[in-house]
Amino acid sequence: SQQGEEDPQALSIQEGENATMNCSYKTSINNLQWYRQNSGRGLVHLILIRSNEREKHSGRLRVTLDTSKKSSSLLITASRAADTASYFCATDGGYSTLTFGKGTMLLVSP
Amino acid sequence: DTEVTQTPKHLVMGMTNKKSLKCEQHMGHRAMYWYKQKAKKPPELMFVYSYEKLSINESVPSRFSPECPNSSLLNLHLHALQPEDSALYLCASSHDGQGKTEAFFGQGTRLTVV
Repeated sequence: SQQGEEDPQALSIQEGENATMNCSYKTSINNLQWYRQNSGRGLVHLILIRSNEREKHSGRLRVTLDTSKKSSSLLITASRAADTASYFCATDGGYSTLTFGKGTMLLVSP
Repeated sequence: DTEVTQTPKHLVMGMTNKKSLKCEQHMGHRAMYWYKQKAKKPPELMFVYSYEKLSINESVPSRFSPECPNSSLLNLHLHALQPEDSALYLCASSHDGQGKTEAFFGQGTRLTVV
């Protein structure tokens, strides 16, 4: 079953702009993770935020988590053409079994 | 070495064929996973091996048969597949399957059943 729901489904921006993607989930979680996928190949882990954390940064990425609203957001600042990819949130309810959201397709134009 | 290696990258098989997908990691991870991803859809969990024992089978049809020969290797044996089984099959591993760390994914095997 799909737990995470991303919003928007597709996002098109210019290089240098910020991109924000949102994710909602339904049940309690151990942690929430964000992954990137290029052209239908393997997924690359971006960032993990634990259920007792509210915000986390990694380079140009900022993730927030609101467990009361069961939602998370991923912000990519100063986007680049190389950031073009699909982005998935994934909830981990335990035992590292990930349930992925539907994903956001991000297109960054030069 | 932080890689999960999957072979082959592409596979075309007939509905009467038997084939196997292979996955290997040398990160000392004790949990390994198979996911299936259809076009424009998110990955869906199929199987989880924890410490070389099958711990989760997400009601996958028996024409898919997983095997974990040792802590570094994971196979997925395929037999009598249907065209709707065509998809990207992703292998992943994580530290210990206790939900504390991220998963590392291979590049996947793109399977076409004809």
